Amino acid sequence: SQTIHQWPATLVQPVGSPLSLECTVEGTSNPNLYWYRQAAGRGLQLLFYSVGIGQISSEVPQNLSASRPQDRQFILSSKKLLLSDSGFYLCAWSVRAGVLYGYTFGSGTRLTVV
Amino acid sequence: QQPVQSPQAVILREGEDAVINCSSSKALYSVHWYRQKHGEAPVFLMILLKGGEQKGHEKISASFNEKKQQSSLYLTASQLSYSGTYFCGTEMNDYKLSFGAGTTVTVRA
Repeated sequence: SQTIHQWPATLVQPVGSPLSLECTVEGTSNPNLYWYRQAAGRGLQLLFYSVGIGQISSEVPQNLSASRPQDRQFILSSKKLLLSDSGFYLCAWSVRAGVLYGYTFGSGTRLTVV
Repeated sequence: QQPVQSPQAVILREGEDAVINCSSSKALYSVHWYRQKHGEAPVFLMILLKGGEQKGHEKISASFNEKKQQSSLYLTASQLSYSGTYFCGTEMNDYKLSFGAGTTVTVRA
């Protein structure tokens, strides 16, 4: 069966520090991978998505970046965090075979920038 | 473009029904519905494709009117476990979902 792993679960980082969040998927090949951010009490904002290795689409211009070095690995990074980067970061995977199938989300990383 | 959800919040007693609406100004290929419990990740409930089909999950069902680009989620005979925030996600025949702001459902005994 397919599983998605996301870590760390919580993170407190000072302003200006770097960030690296990792997400891996098991049990499937060539998944679509996504990074969403959720501010407290708000909806889900799509940050990046990838349909294959090295293929990254950015939805919102910001100081974050994403990479997909392997088929089932998706990394979210920042060189210098801002206070506004705080939020709940969710990785998700799906496949598209005529239709985009339902997302499976990771358990999320709660990031607080102080 | 982000779909519009209504209402923002609803409070129910066990056994009552509710409807959550989701609308888009763009032509949609599919609509997804998810439920998120506090502090957890969203969980997929169902997907509806253009064609007006209706689907169900437990006593939760949904419909999609592609002419109006609207979807509705129906909570029937609500249970305490139905509490959470419901999100619709819309797809325009590409590889990604845009999510609404969410509807918080509180079911009380």
